[in-house]
Amino acid sequence: DTAVSQTPKYLVTQMGNDKSIKCEQNLGHDTMYWYKQDSKKFLKIMFSYNNKELIINETVPNRFSPKSPDKAHLNLHINSLELGDSAVYFCASSQDSTGAGEQFFGPGTRLTVL
Amino acid sequence: KQEVTQIPAALSVPEGENLVLNCSFTDSAIYNLQWFRQDPGKGLTSLLLIQSSQREQTSGRLNASLDKSSGRSTLYIAASQPGDSATYLCAPRGYKYIFGTGTRLKVLA
Repeated sequence: DTAVSQTPKYLVTQMGNDKSIKCEQNLGHDTMYWYKQDSKKFLKIMFSYNNKELIINETVPNRFSPKSPDKAHLNLHINSLELGDSAVYFCASSQDSTGAGEQFFGPGTRLTVL
Repeated sequence: KQEVTQIPAALSVPEGENLVLNCSFTDSAIYNLQWFRQDPGKGLTSLLLIQSSQREQTSGRLNASLDKSSGRSTLYIAASQPGDSATYLCAPRGYKYIFGTGTRLKVLA
């Protein structure tokens, strides 16, 4: 009964490939997020969706495209992968986007680009 | 632009000690502040959430305080245990969460 789940847990791929990471939450939350944690362990928000609508879009290369088919899912597709994309990507969710609710994180996807 | 600093960056203490982790932030216009722990190779586990109108929150041996006007929060851990060893992150929430760089805690048995 995992609250926020991500697949895959590990992803190793070559430069130039296209890959996707999937995220699902079973908490009934309206808002979902993607974060990137770099090699220095610094965690930074990339995108946020509220009820399938994009509400936060940080300065992220347009090779990264989030998609939310419904409010329980937020997937991240990455085109033309580069070495610098290697990081751990975390999905998270919260009740809503008002800022009052607690945020819950998935286990992360470790992406390695060779 | 919100900037979040956590001090100390690393801490090593013997088991049983009470300790304080500090978090400071530059923009006091926040909705809440959340403390997390992250174990090596794992995701983030939520510890405590303090709303902007609150001064503190407690959960077991953990107590978090918030002084929004001065841009500070502290996480107090009582009677530390080896199982508390992890990286602790604070994240004040404005229109988005901004994470600090974390405090790496090691509690020695």
